Amino acid sequence: SYELIQPPSVSVSPGQTASITCSGDKLGNKYACWYQQKPGQSPVLIIYRDNVRPSGIPERFAGSNSGNTATLTISGTQAMDEADYYCQAWDSITVVFGGGTKLTVL
Amino acid sequence: QVQLVESGGGLVNPGGSLRLSCAASGFTFSDYQMTWIRQAPGKGLEWVSYIRSSGSTMHYTDSVKDRFTISRDNAKNSLYLQMNSLRAEDTAVYYCARVISGSYSKYYYYYMDVWGKGTTVTVSS
Repeated sequence: SYELIQPPSVSVSPGQTASITCSGDKLGNKYACWYQQKPGQSPVLIIYRDNVRPSGIPERFAGSNSGNTATLTISGTQAMDEADYYCQAWDSITVVFGGGTKLTVL
Repeated sequence: QVQLVESGGGLVNPGGSLRLSCAASGFTFSDYQMTWIRQAPGKGLEWVSYIRSSGSTMHYTDSVKDRFTISRDNAKNSLYLQMNSLRAEDTAVYYCARVISGSYSKYYYYYMDVWGKGTTVTVSS
């Protein structure tokens, strides 16, 4: 079965750029999306079709996807961005999530 | 506004059954594929099942096949998940979500743009 691998944790200083990767076999031949989940809340879609931001998502969130890796980049990271982030893709007839990355802003 | 509200969770003994419901409002429910996603305590997101807009096609993750059944009633704007033979490892928050899918520039996209707040299922004796 298809797997998406994310680093368990990423740390970033306020105002700096955070990058969260998502790796999967030939992931660049699929569309990736990203969700943000804060403690006690439901996931929120922040990037779809590799690099498209839904309405209301700040411009500091950006996505890319090439080769075997999709990347979520958060520019000018703010304290409010501290959360768990999940990548997701479609494979054959199944929905696949990455294991999630906890972003710490310190 | 677009909203999904889950219900039906609770505490159940191993081997027992539960039926989850998801009430949709604010959009034309019958136009959308729907899905159930779960999250075990302290763990990541796990896709459980999806159902096409007409209800004609369903798929399940391997661990719930032959135990869970997804269904929908488009007249009632409702999504369901019948869960039988429940196991401790089914303990999780269960979210229903609206699916956006299609083909664009050679590839197929699939993502969930609206999520409910979830309902908690605890399987324990």
